[in-house]
Amino acid sequence: EAQVTQNPRYLITVTGKKLTVTCSQNMNHEYMSWYRQDPGLGLRQIYYSMNVEVTDKGDVPEGYKVSRKEKRNFPLILESPSPNQTSLYFCASSRTRLSYEQYFGPGTRLTVT
Amino acid sequence: AQSVTQLGSHVSVSEGALVLLRCNYSSSVPPYLFWYVQYPNQGLQLLLKYTTGATLVKGINGFEAEFKKSETSFHLTKPSAHMSDAAEYFCAVSDSGGGADGLTFGKGTHLIIQP
Repeated sequence: EAQVTQNPRYLITVTGKKLTVTCSQNMNHEYMSWYRQDPGLGLRQIYYSMNVEVTDKGDVPEGYKVSRKEKRNFPLILESPSPNQTSLYFCASSRTRLSYEQYFGPGTRLTVT
Repeated sequence: AQSVTQLGSHVSVSEGALVLLRCNYSSSVPPYLFWYVQYPNQGLQLLLKYTTGATLVKGINGFEAEFKKSETSFHLTKPSAHMSDAAEYFCAVSDSGGGADGLTFGKGTHLIIQP
């Protein structure tokens, strides 16, 4: 089954404790991205990757890092999480950056206390 | 620069009634327009898209949307609401070739279906 998986689905952590949210897709997609969803703000792109070893900042990259060492994986790293990073995070992938349809993962709800 | 405005953060309709979710956009170039749906505890799913050609586009689950350039609108409609339509709906615009890259999402409209 074609899918985007994220882990963990729920995470509660404390300020400053480094964490990684994993994202994996099994569709051989080139393009992957991370979004955060906040009430009243919709989805905002954090980082994206057009292919292996090619990443770039989205609209709200501060406080986040990403890497793309393999085509299928695109982890999101929070080196020193802060409470303002409490949010719902989505990973998405598409065949290329020009593909119309993105496939979204189920989301990771992160709470930073 | 592009932007999307969704009128109404919450819309409530009765089961069987018309669903109308409003979306207005701004774009400096001919836009590509999308509606995504998010069911509870799930990721977003593409409902329909407008790229070029016919301005009335049909999507999944009986939804359709009409691109009106003169009104810079892309409203989503469904003739008869079903309880399973309760979800969050996002309008999105792309002016960078129409793909996943460069998508700007609206803030979302929560659709509530009354029995």
